[in-house]
Amino acid sequence: DAKTTQPTSMDCAEGRAANLPCNHSTISGNEYVYWYRQIHSQGPQYIIHGLKNNETNEMASLIITEDRKSSTLILPHATLRDTAVYYCIVRAPYGQNFVFGPGTRLSVLP
Amino acid sequence: EAGVAQSPRYKIIEKRQSVAFWCNPISGHATLYWYQQILGQGPKLLIQFQNNGVVDDSQLPKDRFSAERLKGVDSTLKIQPAKLEDSAVYLCASSSTEYAGGQFFGPGTRLTVL
Repeated sequence: DAKTTQPTSMDCAEGRAANLPCNHSTISGNEYVYWYRQIHSQGPQYIIHGLKNNETNEMASLIITEDRKSSTLILPHATLRDTAVYYCIVRAPYGQNFVFGPGTRLSVLP
Repeated sequence: EAGVAQSPRYKIIEKRQSVAFWCNPISGHATLYWYQQILGQGPKLLIQFQNNGVVDDSQLPKDRFSAERLKGVDSTLKIQPAKLEDSAVYLCASSSTEYAGGQFFGPGTRLTVL
């Protein structure tokens, strides 16, 4: 079973920041938080991952709470092409399997 | 860098027929995964290879599904005989065990069983 809980769906206005929450209250000390997204008819795409510090790359920012029991993926300026299902996954690194839950369906509205 | 390649992209068969999917991972990636994704659900791992050895096949329905990765590169997933409930997208992914960033996915094969 997935170790994370995410809202089923969210809407965001184009050009605004999209903040996608994820709860992972049972996360272990060596487990990372990963985010993937899946655009319609494509395979999942890696976005970002982190352990305990906040992370930023060209796609998004990842904010992890100090107790590591939850995190937020931030898309700073959402576009219509960001409409997708977003998956939050926790796992230990280096070869262990990803367990995907149903994710959050983000709709970016014009 | 070329991504994970899969073929065919679409396949329609009748129940009880057999079908095979092919995957070519990213060059140098030792680990290869096959996932099944049913409409509306997240991907579910079927089998994981490390080089040409099986690491985890606990969720593979072995009475009808088989997979191989000869020479530790390309892989083939087969279903024989297919059932209606096998209709799904079959995703292949690969990863380098030296990289904690995760897996890279192919575009998937959409299978419809009639």
